[in-house]
Amino acid sequence: AQTVTQSQPEMSVQEAETVTLSCTYDTSESDYYLFWYKQPPSRQMILVIRQEAYKQQNATENRFSVNFQKAAKSFSLKISDSQLGDAAMYFCARVGTYKYIFGTGTRLKVLA
Amino acid sequence: DAGVIQSPRHEVTEMGQEVTLRCKPISGHDYLFWYRQTMMRGLELLIYFNNNVPIDDSGMPEDRFSAKMPNASFSTLKIQPSEPRDSAVYFCASSPPTARNTEAFFGQGTRLTVV
Repeated sequence: AQTVTQSQPEMSVQEAETVTLSCTYDTSESDYYLFWYKQPPSRQMILVIRQEAYKQQNATENRFSVNFQKAAKSFSLKISDSQLGDAAMYFCARVGTYKYIFGTGTRLKVLA
Repeated sequence: DAGVIQSPRHEVTEMGQEVTLRCKPISGHDYLFWYRQTMMRGLELLIYFNNNVPIDDSGMPEDRFSAKMPNASFSTLKIQPSEPRDSAVYFCASSPPTARNTEAFFGQGTRLTVV
């Protein structure tokens, strides 16, 4: 089965601190892409960051960065200098042959 | 472009009734996906289309669920008859021809409540 696993249903972080959300996946494909989406209470799905599996360099978008370990099939999201607006559900996703598979999500709470 | 448009935003129906959810993908996108979001299972892929043709419906939970895409700008997800366990948020998403290296673009979702 080609699955995406997020083992942390909920995480908390103090404002201005750093937090890491975990994601592992299973795939038999060698070429695929990975994404992190943010879902605030509005239900809107917002792309946070993407990673091409063939690239060894970890993607970075401002305060968001990933730790991509291809051999371990691990794709964690690091949020630096956490802000109150980062509070949301975060979903990890993998796409291989055009099929986007999502994890169960991690709810991030940011404490003031 | 207005993005992916779903209707209705909220739907409350009685058990046994037919429910139809609607989706208009972004123009030019030839992949369309239907997802169901619940607390327990997260975002489950129900079915996806390419160029209006269903490619993979292995996620459709039961025969009560059906989806169609009669043209490039419209898709429906129908539940008949509906049951309380179908209560969830249903998302439609679309992506362009270079699907794999581009994120899926989501609609605002339809919150379905079956009482």
